[in-house]
Amino acid sequence: EIVLTQSPGTLSLSPGERATLSCRASQSVSSGSLAWYQQKPGQAPRLLIYGASSRATGIPDRFSGSGSGTDFILTISRLEPEDFAVYYCQQYGSSPWTFGQGTKVEVK
Amino acid sequence: QVQLQESGPGLVKPSETLSLTCTVSGASISSSYWSWIRQSPGKGLEWIGYIYSGNTNYNPSLESRVTISLDTSKNQFSLKLRSVTAADTAIYYCAKDGRTWPIWGQGTMVTVSS
Repeated sequence: EIVLTQSPGTLSLSPGERATLSCRASQSVSSGSLAWYQQKPGQAPRLLIYGASSRATGIPDRFSGSGSGTDFILTISRLEPEDFAVYYCQQYGSSPWTFGQGTKVEVK
Repeated sequence: QVQLQESGPGLVKPSETLSLTCTVSGASISSSYWSWIRQSPGKGLEWIGYIYSGNTNYNPSLESRVTISLDTSKNQFSLKLRSVTAADTAIYYCAKDGRTWPIWGQGTMVTVSS
């Protein structure tokens, strides 16, 4: 199965700053089949990005995804107070679908 | 809009079968993929499997113990996980679609303990 490694584990930033989150796959993710989710305490994950770079319905344009092959990036251009959360990448190019371990974006 | 709600026992004894149901409103259970995902502190998020029109795809790590099925008369789908151990303690989510999940239930905590 494809193992996804996210870095950093924790990102300490201030509102208004730019966040750059990394997701590296143990083998190439076919057809850019990579998604990103946001999760807040006590809530289910929320789909942000699919197909590596397409925003899900209702997701603000400050969230963007990029990458291909084994290296993917989630960028939050300017952090809003509601963006402080845990972010997960997930691949669906090769079964079983797998998740990264998460990056926590916390207030500095 | 589409809404999902998990239900089932919050406590299951070791070696027994975990059984959960997901009730779907706002969409027909016959017209989409439906998935189960779980989350535990030890293993993080883990895809369990999906069902579409009676066809299933399971995570190989759980395949020998898992069954996902549809009940079209009640617009529900269900999860059965046999021979559970403490490692199966997790929050269990049902979700719409098979490969990415734009709609999730709120999740239900299941603890495996005697």
